[in-house]
Amino acid sequence: GAVVSQHPSWVICKSGTSVKIECRSLDFQATTMFWYRQFPKQSLMLMATSNEGSKATYEQGVEKDKFLINHASLTLSTLTVTSAHPEDSSFYICSARSGRIDSPLHFGNGTRLTVT
Amino acid sequence: KQEVTQIPAALSVPEGENLVLNCSFTDSAIYNLQWFRQDPGKGLTSLLLIQSSQREQTSGRLNASLDKSSGRSTLYIAASQPGDSATYLCAVRGGGFQKLVFGTGTRLLVSP
Repeated sequence: GAVVSQHPSWVICKSGTSVKIECRSLDFQATTMFWYRQFPKQSLMLMATSNEGSKATYEQGVEKDKFLINHASLTLSTLTVTSAHPEDSSFYICSARSGRIDSPLHFGNGTRLTVT
Repeated sequence: KQEVTQIPAALSVPEGENLVLNCSFTDSAIYNLQWFRQDPGKGLTSLLLIQSSQREQTSGRLNASLDKSSGRSTLYIAASQPGDSATYLCAVRGGGFQKLVFGTGTRLLVSP
């Protein structure tokens, strides 16, 4: 089956630093990738949608300058949390699908970010 | 704006029981609906995908149905096992849009 690899699985950083999270589709070309954020015991909230080679589309309320998304290739998207603060601590999950709009989404295993 | 609700929020059953998880959505103009499983601290595993033209999908002990007109889907788990313990999420994709809207999830605990 389709595999999405997300790295790192967890990261602890100091307030004010930046953290990069990678999302890779290992056995298919991901024309579209999605980044989600999940707070404890809550559902997933979509942060942004990225299409390969173009700028990401951010959801309302998500700061594009704080959460930088790059989708430079068909197999890799990155999310960079810039100048992280404790309130950015959360579980971040990426997902990817191939070009067909009716194809299912495949998710990475998530990244637990803790900002101290 | 599409809203997705799942009932119950939590469910605890003894091993062997058959159970039903419910998902409802406010806008029936959906493209497809997908059920996922999430283990604590992990990502999501896709269980079943139902296109808007379909009524149900089956995979092993899992059966998902879709009634688009009434805005409902159910996930039926037969002969539950402790390994089924997880949070189950449903998500709908609206017609013409790429993004999924997730439900609130049902935390399932199957005790041996």
